[in-house]
Amino acid sequence: EDQVTQSPEALRLQEGESSSLNCSYTVSGLRGLFWYRQDPGKGPEFLFTLYSAGEEKEKERLKATLTKKESFLHITAPKPEDSATYLCAVQAFLSSGSARQLTFGSGTQLTVLP
Amino acid sequence: GAVVSQHPSWVICKSGTSVKIECRSLDFQATTMFWYRQFPKQSLMLMATSNEGSKATYEQGVEKDKFLINHASLTLSTLTVTSAHPEDSSFYICSASARENYGYTFGSGTRLTVV
Repeated sequence: EDQVTQSPEALRLQEGESSSLNCSYTVSGLRGLFWYRQDPGKGPEFLFTLYSAGEEKEKERLKATLTKKESFLHITAPKPEDSATYLCAVQAFLSSGSARQLTFGSGTQLTVLP
Repeated sequence: GAVVSQHPSWVICKSGTSVKIECRSLDFQATTMFWYRQFPKQSLMLMATSNEGSKATYEQGVEKDKFLINHASLTLSTLTVTSAHPEDSSFYICSASARENYGYTFGSGTRLTVV
């Protein structure tokens, strides 16, 4: 069974204070690891997909990295508008070669204080 | 980019009534749509997967007679919560994919409150 654990559950940062969010996963045959941002009362907004260990992707102040066991979302010099819940999800390959559905972690609630 | 519209964004209904939630892919054909449920400060839990023109596949523990899913066209899926009770109050989110192994786009969610 695919499992995704995110830590910490909540993180409060001062504006400009860089930090990292962790996503540990267990999956048999990773097809992709996804990062989403979710604002209160909204659906998840896609950020990144990582496919193989060693891969990195960047978008503005965010950088996602992937190893065989975990992924990190690094936030550099965050701003208050970066406050949101960040969700990690994995998708595994089925034995048939097709893909299973996404399995989500419980998220990290990030608050950036001005 | 791909856009998924979910309607309504919030609804309040009386216990025992039914509520329909719509999920539309606006600029692509969604061969597969997914319905999730999310409780406060918890993760998204997959309820069911629907493919256009076929019956939905429900996750273990999800009552198919209570949560009716219809995916009649490549751009529209509906979730009907039948005989709603207060415990059905939750945040329901749909997502759509153009084809298998493709990206997923999420709707903006529907806050259901049953009183």
